[in-house]
Formats: sequence, C-alpha cells, structure tokens
Amino acid sequence: EVQLVQSGAEVKKPGESLKISCKGSGYSFTNYWIGWVRQMPGKGLEWMGIIYPGASDTRYSPSLQGQVTISADKSINTAYLQWSSLKASDTAIYYCARLLSIAACDSWGQGTLVTVSS
Amino acid sequence: QSALTQPRSVSGSPGQSVTISCTGTSSDVGGYKFVSWYQQHPGKAPKLMIYDVSERPSGVPDRFSGSKSGNTASLTISGLQAEDEADYYCCSYAGSYAYVFGTGTKVTVL
Repeated sequence: EVQLVQSGAEVKKPGESLKISCKGSGYSFTNYWIGWVRQMPGKGLEWMGIIYPGASDTRYSPSLQGQVTISADKSINTAYLQWSSLKASDTAIYYCARLLSIAACDSWGQGTLVTVSS
Repeated sequence: QSALTQPRSVSGSPGQSVTISCTGTSSDVGGYKFVSWYQQHPGKAPKLMIYDVSERPSGVPDRFSGSKSGNTASLTISGLQAEDEADYYCCSYAGSYAYVFGTGTKVTVL
C-alpha cells in the first residue's frame, strides 16, 4: 500500500526556521515526483513545487520561488519542505502528494499544520 | 499563473446530476490533456477523483466523470449521494513542471 506520512503539527514564531517531512512507503520512492501543496486557513489548494527524489530535480511555483526549499533524502525515502525565516502568512496546512503521472496526485500525506504566531 | 476559475458552489438533490466547470487559458487547461479533479472533505486530505481529463482511478465510482472543451474542463457527478458533499478542486498542468489549482467548488447535497 502506497503511504505518505508527514511530520506533526508545528507552532513557531515569526523569523524562526522550520523543516517538515514526508516519508513514502509501499512504492519505489525514487521513481515518482513528490509535490507540495499549501492550504491556508479556510482557503483553497495552492501548488508549491515538486521534486524527483531519484535525481533531486526540483521545480518551484514562480510565486513561491525563494520563499521555501524543497529537498529529499532518497536513502530514507523522505521529502522535505523548509523555511529559513517564517512569516505569519506561512500559517497553513501543508500536504505532500505523489504524482502518479503529470498533474495526477494519487496519494496524499495527512497534512502538516504549521502555525506561525508571535 | 492565476488560479483556474470554478463556481463557488453547486447543489443538487440525491440522485440528481451536478456539473462543476473549471475555466483556464490556452496555457493550462486548453493546452494539455492533464487536468485532474480532487475531492476534499472537511479536515481531510484531498482525494484524486479524475486524472488526464477523464480517467478514473480504481476505486472511484463511475458516477464521477470528466471532460474538457477548449479552455474549460468539467466534472460531472451523476446520481448524487450524501457522501459526495465536499469541496472539489480542479488542477491543470501549465507547462515547464508548473501546475495550477482551481478556486474550489462546494458541492451541497440538498
């Protein structure tokens, strides 16, 4: 069974750094793109970027380029999303998802709630 | 890219059909056969319902169908059931590994 398990909820202050994770199991982690999706409180889904763990090939949404870093450690089947300096506007649920094919996310993590508040 | 445009809400009685539209541009919906649809219940992760415009993943009821014409994709739910009440989002490939989601539609079963 394909599973993506994300790290737990985080509460941070503005300016702090953060790295959340997404661990894949039940499939060949290096052979599928992993995408990250943001959902701000009460809002819709927003595409952030994708990574191909087999080659660490990473692409970002133009609107989020430079604001986050996506990475992966294929030795432990885990993808990451990190911030160097959080803002209150980063408060959201962040989902990782496996791309079965182009624009088809067939398996999703349970989501990680990130709250940024002073 | 700007979000794809969806109606804010649609509703129908049990057994009826509802259709959700998803309007983009020739740079996304109109330019590729890579449109997917997701169902999201409150507090839950999204679930893939349709991909590649009209393909259904295994386990998704055949009451759900997708289509596309020009810059507009559509999701139709036939034989509406209570458990179909949820938010629905379209997503399109926009070239160069870029993707864009729709604004989301709340489906209400009356």
